[in-house]
Amino acid sequence: GAGVSQSPSNKVTEKGKDVELRCDPISGHTALYWYRQSLGQGLEFLIYFQGNSAPDKSGLPSDRFSAERTGGSVSTLTIQRTQQEDSAVYLCASSWVLAGGDNEQFFGPGTRLTVL
Amino acid sequence: GQNIDQPTEMTATEGAIVQINCTYQTSGFNGLFWYQQHAGEAPTFLSYNVLDGLEEKGRFSSFLSRSKGYSYLLLKELQMKDSASYLCAVIKAGKLIFGQGTTLQVKP
Repeated sequence: GAGVSQSPSNKVTEKGKDVELRCDPISGHTALYWYRQSLGQGLEFLIYFQGNSAPDKSGLPSDRFSAERTGGSVSTLTIQRTQQEDSAVYLCASSWVLAGGDNEQFFGPGTRLTVL
Repeated sequence: GQNIDQPTEMTATEGAIVQINCTYQTSGFNGLFWYQQHAGEAPTFLSYNVLDGLEEKGRFSSFLSRSKGYSYLLLKELQMKDSASYLCAVIKAGKLIFGQGTTLQVKP
C-alpha cells in the first residue's frame, strides 16, 4: 500500500555535474509525471508517461533534461551539466488513466536538488 | 498562455470560513483540481470539478464556473492544521497546469 516514493530526498551537487532522480510510482498506475517546484513558484510540468505511448516532453526546459520509464514502472529524471537555476524540488506523481476521465495524481515527497 | 491566478497569501482565524479564489485564462481543459500542500510535503488531493457548480466534501467545498473562468475553494470551521498552501490546477491533455498557490495562515 505504499505511495509514490522518490530518491534521494535531498541532493546537493556542483554546477556542471550530472544528477539522476528516481521515482517509484504506485503499483499499477499507468501514468507517471514529473513536475518541478522552484522557490516561491508554482509547480511546473516537465514530462508525462502514459503506458507504452511516446512521452509528452513538452515541459522539459532544455535538452539537458531527459527522463526514462523502464518496464512501465520506475522512472529516472536525468539532468546533465546542472546549472544553479536547476535548484528546485522535483516532484513525481502517478495516476490511473481511465477512458474518458482525468484522474487524481498522487504525488511523491519530492527530491530537493541544490546546485552549488 | 494559460495564466492561472491565485492570491499569494491569506490569513484567517481558527473556526472561521475562508474562500480562496482562482481565476484562469485557458480553454479546452477537462477539469480543475485543488491540492493542499503543507510545507516540505507532497501536494495532496482535495477536490476535482468537471462541471460548473459546487462540490462539497466535508469542511471543504470547491466551485467552478467555466463561463467566468473562475473557481474557488471554501474552507469551513478552520483548524490550525489547515495552515498550508492551496494549489489550483487545470488538467489538459493529462497534464496539470498549476497556479502559484495560496499560502493560508490560520491564527488562533
